[in-house]
Parts: sequence; structure tokens; C-alpha cells
Amino acid sequence: RKEVEQDPGPFNVPEGATVAFNCTYSNSASQSFFWYRQDCRKEPKLLMSVYSSGNEDGRFTAQLNRASQYISLLIRDSKLSDSATYLCVVTYLTMNSGYSTLTFGKGTMLLVSP
Amino acid sequence: DAGVIQSPRHEVTEMGQEVTLRCKPISGHNSLFWYRQTMMRGLELLIYFNNNVPIDDSGMPEDRFSAKMPNASFSTLKIQPSEPRDSAVYFCASSRRSMGLTEAFFGQGTRLTVV
Repeated sequence: RKEVEQDPGPFNVPEGATVAFNCTYSNSASQSFFWYRQDCRKEPKLLMSVYSSGNEDGRFTAQLNRASQYISLLIRDSKLSDSATYLCVVTYLTMNSGYSTLTFGKGTMLLVSP
Repeated sequence: DAGVIQSPRHEVTEMGQEVTLRCKPISGHNSLFWYRQTMMRGLELLIYFNNNVPIDDSGMPEDRFSAKMPNASFSTLKIQPSEPRDSAVYFCASSRRSMGLTEAFFGQGTRLTVV
């Protein structure tokens, strides 16, 4: 089982649509959760952290369900500029090192059309 | 701050040649990561350092890969000898580790093609 799983997409939506991304993780000891955004041929960049109580940043809402080991990202009123790949990221302590590191899902591609 | 700086941006080399990728992390960051990204496998962690010490290199594919961090401002990833299956984008990222791991900042990557 993959450590972090996402629907690969692509999701094709019109401008103004609401789109939701889902992510599941396998390690129940996971500590921190993030959504990163990666534009074509660019590096990943942090979009937002995900907090246990859920959090919102403008048109973006992230939610965490620890019991189900599930993370979501909701984008409202999508814009053309939202077209990118969205990466779910989880951190957890590795057994052999005692340090935590970032584990990435493979990402979900979003294409917003006029 | 200039962010994480990687060089070269692009590298095309022949099979069997040695390839060295370079990274300068953000000043003040004490964790450094090397990732490899391909369409098939996504972003894979190769190795990470904390305070210049390699912590976990279990993601390094084989002995042809090696990484060093001689000081807090420089790291290298070396492939010797290179093979066509090593073709990928290699990212370096840095982060500040305190009570946990904070946001990781990525360099622009090195696009490696081995022919």
C-alpha cells in the first residue's frame, strides 16, 4: 500500500466551479499535513498547511480526518490560474532515524478551462 | 533570501558518465532533502541531512548514487556511472527543523537526461 495516495486526475473543470481533492495516508502516526502546488515544469510550493480543526485561506479550504486518515482540499470559484498539480504531503517519524520527513503523494492535476 | 539554488538547471550526459548535482540551501535551514521526480513514480525522497549529517539514505536507489553535505551551505548528489533510467528531475529542498518539520522550500530542480 502506498504511503500517500491521491486520485491522479486530471480534473477538468470550468472557471467558477468548485473542485475537491482527496488524499489518504497509511501511517496512523503521521504528524503534519500539507498541500503543495506544482506548476508544469516548476518546483513544488507550499499552498497551505492542514490543521486538525480544518483551515481556510481565501478560496481554499483544507480538512483533516485523523480517524479515517484522510485529507481534503476544496477550491471554490476556480480560476484559470489554479491549473496545476496539487500534491498531498504527510510527515511522520521514520523508524530507523527517529526524524520526520516529508512524504509526497503523486499529485492530482487540475485543468481549469474558460 | 535567494531561496534554494540548484545547478545545473539542465544536464544531458552520456551513459556511463559521472554527473554531479549541486544545491545551496536557504541560510539558517538545518534540514536538506534530495528528491527525484518522474512521471511514473512521482516525488521520491532519496536522502536527507540534518545539521549536515546524513540521517536516512534508504531512498538512494543503489550504490551508483552518493550525496554529501560538507557544510551548512552546500550539498552534492553524484551519480557514477549514470544510466538512462536515471533520467528525471532532481530537486533539492531545505527546511528548518525545530519541534518538528516546518515547510520545505524547493529549488528549481535539475532536469537530467542520460542518453
